[in-house]
Amino acid sequence: DTEVTQTPKHLVMGMTNKKSLKCEQHMGHRAMYWYKQKAKKPPELMFVYSYEKLSINESVPSRFSPECPNSSLLNLHLHALQPEDSALYLCASSQDSGNYQETQYFGPGTRLLVL
Amino acid sequence: GEDVEQSLFLSVREGDSSVINCTYTDSSSTYLYWYKQEPGAGLQLLTYIFSNMDMKQDQRLTVLLNKKDKHLSLRIADTQTGDSAIYFCAESIGNTDKLIFGTGTRLQVFP
Repeated sequence: DTEVTQTPKHLVMGMTNKKSLKCEQHMGHRAMYWYKQKAKKPPELMFVYSYEKLSINESVPSRFSPECPNSSLLNLHLHALQPEDSALYLCASSQDSGNYQETQYFGPGTRLLVL
Repeated sequence: GEDVEQSLFLSVREGDSSVINCTYTDSSSTYLYWYKQEPGAGLQLLTYIFSNMDMKQDQRLTVLLNKKDKHLSLRIADTQTGDSAIYFCAESIGNTDKLIFGTGTRLQVFP
């Protein structure tokens, strides 16, 4: 099983709303990732969690707040977003992180529209 | 810099071979990847190659790596309409968890 699931598939929110994106994997992977992908662009890394601890934050604005409640779950809390934050948000996981690159498996993404 | 370049668009006839090219920048990359993305969907890992290899074949897919020129290619044999998608190469950055994706190549297969 190499499945990473994400909910919801689509999300529309206003600039004053608070919402959360969820990601789940049951492959025993210990590294999880959030990416943002704008239309016709490659994915851009936002955050990396390794063993449930935040290991990389790519200077993401604080209106995006990641959370890793356990090794299978990764959330992205959204608050006071801007229309330019509209994008496809992709979650990924890999077996491990650290000294060598592990293959990342991606979820289907959540398509977010901020009005 | 960390720019990974790909040609934007490739159009091939069904049954022909497709070759998608990628130029990367980080000579310390350990692994290089090819991902496929269909419209509105996430990224599907197709294959990857370890940096000490020159070639890897996996069914219809052949990956070639020229480490001297930092050039990676993906050949799809007997291309089908279901292969129409955007293809991203990606390189790992040193010993980090970071993947840098290429600009993506849109492959269109026509009958």
